[in-house]
Amino acid sequence: DQQVKQNSPSLSVQEGRISILNCDYTNSMFDYFLWYKKYPAEGPTFLISISSIKDKNEDGRFTVFLNKSAKHLSLHIVPSQPGDSAVYFCAASEGGGSEKLVFGKGTKLTVNP
Amino acid sequence: DSGVTQTPKHLITATGQRVTLRCSPRSGDLSVYWYQQSLDQGLQFLIQYYNGEERAKGNILERFSAQQFPDLHSELNLSSLELGDSALYFCASSVDAARPEQFFGPGTRLTVL
Repeated sequence: DQQVKQNSPSLSVQEGRISILNCDYTNSMFDYFLWYKKYPAEGPTFLISISSIKDKNEDGRFTVFLNKSAKHLSLHIVPSQPGDSAVYFCAASEGGGSEKLVFGKGTKLTVNP
Repeated sequence: DSGVTQTPKHLITATGQRVTLRCSPRSGDLSVYWYQQSLDQGLQFLIQYYNGEERAKGNILERFSAQQFPDLHSELNLSSLELGDSALYFCASSVDAARPEQFFGPGTRLTVL
């Protein structure tokens, strides 16, 4: 049973526009959420995170929004750049000493010049 | 560069064999995590060590084992290999439980023929 779901396997956007990547979760015990970016032949790179006590966190061009009641989070990239083309993974942690991350299957983002 | 190193980068072996994957965490990180990424699957948590002690276990097969040494490097041992064990194996590290952000190595691609 997938506890973290990324329902869009791929997303294509134009350079300069906004990219919105979505993630849904089912486990109410998750209290910390993270986004990772992964290029081919490399390990996942930590991008941005959010605690369940917040509903928004910004870091430069990247903003993560959390809607706890809907068990939904999204990553906004503005403006999108061709170098953002990668697979993006959503991950969640229960915290409280349980530090393992539960990952979604990823969304492949392509930013076209 | 996350600061996490993994060796070897690629490993090709035959069914029934045993292999050892090695990971060195970022300087100062006490926790090491192992994840498996198979085709069509997201990253699956296998096992976590914290300062030499096993901390958490995921869906790790009995044929697989791991340990963390006094210098904090970790090894993942895979034995009686099967074709289905072919996957990317990632190691990640984090400072402690206070922050769930994990930093991943480049991975080891295991091919079992």
